[in-house]
Amino acid sequence: AQSVTQLDSHVSVSEGTPVLLRCNYSSSYSPSLFWYVQHPNKGLQLLLKYTSAATLVKGINGFEAEFKKSETSFHLTKPSAHMSDAAEYFCVVRNFGNEKLTFGTGTRLTIIP
Amino acid sequence: NAGVTQTPKFRVLKTGQSMTLLCAQDMNHEYMYWYRQDPGMGLRLIHYSVGEGTTAKGEVPDGYNVSRLKKQNFLLGLESAAPSQTSVYFCASSSGADTQYFGPGTRLTVL
Repeated sequence: AQSVTQLDSHVSVSEGTPVLLRCNYSSSYSPSLFWYVQHPNKGLQLLLKYTSAATLVKGINGFEAEFKKSETSFHLTKPSAHMSDAAEYFCVVRNFGNEKLTFGTGTRLTIIP
Repeated sequence: NAGVTQTPKFRVLKTGQSMTLLCAQDMNHEYMYWYRQDPGMGLRLIHYSVGEGTTAKGEVPDGYNVSRLKKQNFLLGLESAAPSQTSVYFCASSSGADTQYFGPGTRLTVL
């Protein structure tokens, strides 16, 4: 079985300050983990993915995430928030060999000017 | 390179009406998926296909049917729409069990 929990449904940060979006996962096998971003009224865009290579994964737009097996976490971070980062972010897990994804419920990121 | 496209973008139906949503991809992907997105629930898998002529049920398949007659197309049908099917529908495709690429979505309202 696989599942993912996004610990915050809404996060607000000021422009220029760090962003932290938290995600914990449960997986029976070696998981692949993803972060997707969805801007208002748009489709989902892949930010980054972990597939058992380096535990620190760098994505687009300055985002990165660290896979911590001991903590079953895959938190998303960015050193300095930009207004264009305002969107909904989804943490996603997939067990090894499984074609199906399991999505978290999403975290809405608001950037305060 | 259009990626994944969905038709239509918006639709309003009355209860009991039927409709078909079309998903097309130009990336020669084997796998295709249909999801629905509801507030506070993330995306849930309706049906998926691992190749032309194959389909399988996902997490929430009731009330929907699908067909994959051509590799590049994946159709989602609602035979008798219900208000509970009001949602945003996303199609995705992937090359095997790899990164999924999503379409822009179809916003469906059932009155």
